[in-house]
Amino acid sequence: AQKITQTQPGMFVQEKEAVTLDCTYDTSDPSYGLFWYKQPSSGEMIFLIYQGSYDQQNATEGRYSLNFQKARKSANLVISASQLGDSAMYFCAMREYLDTGRRALTFGSGTRLQVQP
Amino acid sequence: GAGVSQSPSNKVTEKGKDVELRCDPISGHTALYWYRQRLGQGLEFLIYFQGNSAPDKSGLPSDRFSAERTGESVSTLTIQRTQQEDSAVYLCASSESTGADGNQPQHFGDGTRLSIL
Repeated sequence: AQKITQTQPGMFVQEKEAVTLDCTYDTSDPSYGLFWYKQPSSGEMIFLIYQGSYDQQNATEGRYSLNFQKARKSANLVISASQLGDSAMYFCAMREYLDTGRRALTFGSGTRLQVQP
Repeated sequence: GAGVSQSPSNKVTEKGKDVELRCDPISGHTALYWYRQRLGQGLEFLIYFQGNSAPDKSGLPSDRFSAERTGESVSTLTIQRTQQEDSAVYLCASSESTGADGNQPQHFGDGTRLSIL
């Protein structure tokens, strides 16, 4: 079974509008963390935002917020007031802490976001 | 610079040759990760180093792949007898010590684009 599922291979959004990128995850580990990364066409991976499984509030970082619905196992990224520079691939990733002991991230297949002027 | 440094940025080699990829993590980061990203796909975990602990090699796809790290410094990923399916971008990341909390983000280098002819 896929650990991280991103069902939107591509998304379009108009500049200045908000957009939601979907991410669902699968784990039996009670303690885990969820990360979103941005990968522009230049290839570097840029950390955007983190949500811990025990965090009571949704994480926010500037224009980025994470809509965390634990019971549904979803961790959608919301980008407000989209900018042309937001055009990139976006990856959702998970780190499970207790079950596997692994500290590496498991990544989804990504969503390509294109912001239109 | 202050970021993760990888070399070479590009490597083209013939099938059957050995290649060595280098990663210089952010100073003070005890955790180091190698990932592989095939064209148009997400990142696949390869190997993880944490301080002087035994590395987590569970992601290495075959015994042709190996990696070393001396202490908390440079790491090298070696691929022996390269095959065409090894063509990918190899990304290195580092993070601060991953304790029970594990919320430290991984900071990525720009990757090495490996092409096997």
